[in-house]
Amino acid sequence: NAGVTQTPKFQVLKTGQSMTLQCAQDMNHNSMYWYRQDPGMGLRLIYYSASEGTTDKGEVPNGYNVSRLNKREFSLRLESAAPSQTSVYFCASFTGTVKTSEQYFGPGTRLTVT
Amino acid sequence: KQEVTQIPAALSVPEGENLVLNCSFTDSAIYNLQWFRQDPGKGLTSLLLIQSSQREQTSGRLNASLDKSSGRSTLYIAASQPGDSATYLCAVRRSGGAQKLVFGQGTRLTINP
Repeated sequence: NAGVTQTPKFQVLKTGQSMTLQCAQDMNHNSMYWYRQDPGMGLRLIYYSASEGTTDKGEVPNGYNVSRLNKREFSLRLESAAPSQTSVYFCASFTGTVKTSEQYFGPGTRLTVT
Repeated sequence: KQEVTQIPAALSVPEGENLVLNCSFTDSAIYNLQWFRQDPGKGLTSLLLIQSSQREQTSGRLNASLDKSSGRSTLYIAASQPGDSATYLCAVRRSGGAQKLVFGQGTRLTINP
């Protein structure tokens, strides 16, 4: 049981390049989330998917797109990376049906944009 | 809009002390509150989940309390150890809508041997 997995773990991009961060969960959870974590800012929600086939914006969606590929996988795409997107990105999942349950996080992707 | 605040931002105490971390939130319409631990360069590990109907939860040396009406939670750590050094985050799950977690900014805890 791997929980929530993310790839890659580290990435360096040049300004203007694009990339996709991958996330998968094996807990049969309905809801999945992408956060970014910056020093002094805590975790901020970028996008989320309450269930397969739906996606919605969080607090800081500008510059990002997401795809809920199937129930297991939720990807985050940076179309044209900017230095302001240098951050640590976390994917998370939640059952969505049992509202008293915990939310689980992946190990994170450290992204640097130069 | 739900806002979560953690005070202090950083705390340094000698080994063996009991300590309390604080978390406050502005909207009492929550399903639950979750305390996480984050080690440097790592992801978030869930420590305790306390439901809106509960007053406290315990796991080993950790005890979390919740006073929903006043919008406060505390994480009590007994007999602190150097291995407890980490950043501790609290997050509340809002009722209704997409039930998103809203995070505080965390308390960076250092236990000195």
